[in-house]
Amino acid sequence: EAAVTQSPRNKVAVTGGKVTLSCNQTNNHNNMYWYRQDTGHGLRLIHYSYGAGSTEKGDIPDGYKASRPSQENFSLILELATPSQTSVYFCASGKNTLYFGAGTRLSVL
Amino acid sequence: AQSVTQPDARVTVSEGASLQLRCKYSYSGTPYLFWYVQYPRQGLQLLLKYYSGDPVVQGVNGFEAEFIKSNSSFHLRKASVHWSDSAVYFCAVSAANTNKVVFGTGTRLQVLP
Repeated sequence: EAAVTQSPRNKVAVTGGKVTLSCNQTNNHNNMYWYRQDTGHGLRLIHYSYGAGSTEKGDIPDGYKASRPSQENFSLILELATPSQTSVYFCASGKNTLYFGAGTRLSVL
Repeated sequence: AQSVTQPDARVTVSEGASLQLRCKYSYSGTPYLFWYVQYPRQGLQLLLKYYSGDPVVQGVNGFEAEFIKSNSSFHLRKASVHWSDSAVYFCAVSAANTNKVVFGTGTRLQVLP
């Protein structure tokens, strides 16, 4: 069974603070993705990766960085969090068919 | 670039009724098409996918979808819905030569007992 684990599940951050969202997959997939989900927008792609050491910009990368230190791990970094980044963030792995984590609910106050 | 339109934000049906959730995609090449379901407080789970071949694809829990190239559509259907089908359904498209999967805005399905 494919497994994607996100941490933390919930996070409250202050405006201007640094936030790191973590994702671990045991599927041995090369591709990993970060999406955010907002009402009326569905899922929007922030960053993705083809493998360890690679990161690519998705459709809405501004204000976010990504890091892929290993095949298993893919992080999303908000260097200076803003209230507009309050959202639910999903990590996924796979090629075409995606396997999703349970999501991280981030509130930036 | 590919895109997906799900025109219905919400659909309400009675238990036992038939269901169709609409999806139209935009992509000039050969698309890979997907339907995912999201239950409350969970990630998305794959319902079914179409890559090629028979345009009618079967998925889990009695769902099916039909790829109609002439209409750029990939509507999801179920003959008889159950209250447990209440969830948000996402249509998605990707291209064979890219690694990007683009999602629609989702349709929230409510099944009334």
